[in-house]
Amino acid sequence: GENVEQHPSTLSVQEGDSAVIKCTYSDSASNYFPWYKQELGKGPQLIIDIRSNVGEKKDQRIAVTLNKTAKHFSLHITETQPEDSAVYFCAEKGSGGGNKLTFGTGTQLKVEL
Amino acid sequence: DVKVTQSSRYLVKRTGEKVFLECVQDMDHENMFWYRQDPGLGLRLIYFSYDVKMKEKGDIPEGYSVSREKKERFSLILESASTNQTSMYLCASSKQGPETQYFGPGTRLLVL
Repeated sequence: GENVEQHPSTLSVQEGDSAVIKCTYSDSASNYFPWYKQELGKGPQLIIDIRSNVGEKKDQRIAVTLNKTAKHFSLHITETQPEDSAVYFCAEKGSGGGNKLTFGTGTQLKVEL
Repeated sequence: DVKVTQSSRYLVKRTGEKVFLECVQDMDHENMFWYRQDPGLGLRLIYFSYDVKMKEKGDIPEGYSVSREKKERFSLILESASTNQTSMYLCASSKQGPETQYFGPGTRLLVL
């Protein structure tokens, strides 16, 4: 079945620095890769996604890159701010697993002042 | 503004009790999902539904059942709660397939 590995599990950066979270997947036919942000006490919220026919996508301070050959995708947050502190989850939609997403194990990002 | 609501934020139950977790969405979405969230394990799919009265097993359906009698409501049922079902339960909905899911705030269930 589908498997998504996410690293690191915790990440601490200084305000203004960049943060990068990486996920690897096993299904070469996976075609959709979203990132969710979960703030304390709330449910996850979609922040950006990318499809397999695109290598990079940006939205203001966040970007996602996809390397299909290596089967990994990454979330990049630039100019980090305290409100970026949250748990981030990657996910992928595989080809044979039905109409569902497989999520990574999450990264706790802390932006320190 | 899209909204997914869950019936309880916190719930304490005894081993062997039957537990109902309710989820309601007001976006007329076809798809609804139940996940459990545990530290170090991320989000794991329990069941999902792509239409009224339809259900599909996720990755960890054992010990759970679901009901979808109306489009806006998706219920998760623990027939006989066990301590290993202590967890955070998250409900989500989406318009098309599993993409762009909207999550509720979660129910933290403690089984004693």
